Amino acid sequence: EAQVTQNPRYLITVTGKKLTVTCSQNMNHEYMSWYRQDPGLGLRQIYYSMNVEVTDKGDVPEGYKVSRKEKRNFPLILESPSPNQTSLYFCASRAKETGVRSNQPQHFGDGTRLSIL
Amino acid sequence: GESVGLHLPTLSVQEGDNSIINCAYSNSASDYFIWYKQESGKGPQFIIDIRSNMDKRQGQRVTVLLNKTVKHLSLQIAATQPGDSAVYFCAEPISWGKLQFGAGTQVVVTP
Repeated sequence: EAQVTQNPRYLITVTGKKLTVTCSQNMNHEYMSWYRQDPGLGLRQIYYSMNVEVTDKGDVPEGYKVSRKEKRNFPLILESPSPNQTSLYFCASRAKETGVRSNQPQHFGDGTRLSIL
Repeated sequence: GESVGLHLPTLSVQEGDNSIINCAYSNSASDYFIWYKQESGKGPQFIIDIRSNMDKRQGQRVTVLLNKTVKHLSLQIAATQPGDSAVYFCAEPISWGKLQFGAGTQVVVTP
């Protein structure tokens, strides 16, 4: 079954304790992305990756890191989490497009709910 | 500001009726739109997409209409069922790798 898998699904932790949220897709997609979803603000892009070893900042990258060492995995790293990073996080992937504007839909994981105390 | 937005935050629909969810966009060069459905506790699920060379596209019980003149698109759900209760987002790719989402419309299906 084609899917995007995130782990953990839920995490409660404390300020400053480094954490990693993993994301894996089995569709051989080149493109992967991380979003956070907050009430009233919708989905906002954190980072994205066009392919292995190619990453770039989205709208809200501060406080986050990513890596793309393998095509299927795109972990999100919070080196020193703070309470304002409490949110619902989604990883997404899609197939490669040919133009500047994508014409392929993104497929999302089921989310990771992070609470930073 | 956002290039994609929704008119109504909540839509209450009686089971069996048709639902219409609206979305406005501001960039006349926009050429591809996607509708997602997000159920409670789940990630956004792709429903249907439409390219700007089309005015209408139909799926299973869903139809998306695109009016480029007024920069408006809509998602119509036929014979709305309880399982259609969710938040619906329109979205638009606006540059390399970036997907711009609208704020979402909560659809509530009543018996």
